Amino acid sequence: DAKTTQPTSMDCAEGRAANLPCNHSTISGNEYVYWYRQIHSQGPQYIIHGLKNNETNEMASLIITEDRKSSTLILPHATLRDTAVYYCIVNRDDKIIFGKGTRLHILP
Amino acid sequence: EPEVTQTPSHQVTQMGQEVILRCVPISNHLYFYWYRQILGQKVEFLVSFYNNEISEKSEIFDDQFSVERPDGSNFTLKIRSTKLEDSAMYFCASRPDRAEQYFGPGTRLTVT
Repeated sequence: DAKTTQPTSMDCAEGRAANLPCNHSTISGNEYVYWYRQIHSQGPQYIIHGLKNNETNEMASLIITEDRKSSTLILPHATLRDTAVYYCIVNRDDKIIFGKGTRLHILP
Repeated sequence: EPEVTQTPSHQVTQMGQEVILRCVPISNHLYFYWYRQILGQKVEFLVSFYNNEISEKSEIFDDQFSVERPDGSNFTLKIRSTKLEDSAMYFCASRPDRAEQYFGPGTRLTVT
């Protein structure tokens, strides 16, 4: 089973920041937090990952709490093309166990 | 930017037939994976492959399934005798050492 808990769905207005939460209270010290997304039956797409520190790349920012039990993925200026299922995954260079993810709807 | 490719994009086969799904991982990657996604369900891990051998497989990956890296570029998934319940999207993924996985666009397998 997936080791994370995410809301089933979320809405966000186009142009606003989308903040997707994830709980991973049983994460162990050497496990990373990864985020992937899947746009309508396409292959999952890597977004970002982190261990302890907050991370930012061209797609998103990842905020990890100090106790590492939860994190938030931030899409700073959501567009309609960001409509997808977003998966928060706890992993250590291993197979990915996908949960149901959060279905993010970007509203025009 | 290099990407994982998969062929065919859609395969239709009759129950009991053998199918081979093909993947070309990114060239300098070391670890290879197959996943599947039945329509409307979660993406499920099937098998991981490293150093020319299976490193882990799931309960789904029974004796009907096999994987092979026949040359330096291709990575194949064979289903020996397909069943109706094998109908799904099959995704190949690869990664370099200690990094994220890159997924291909998938092969839609329809078993009739």
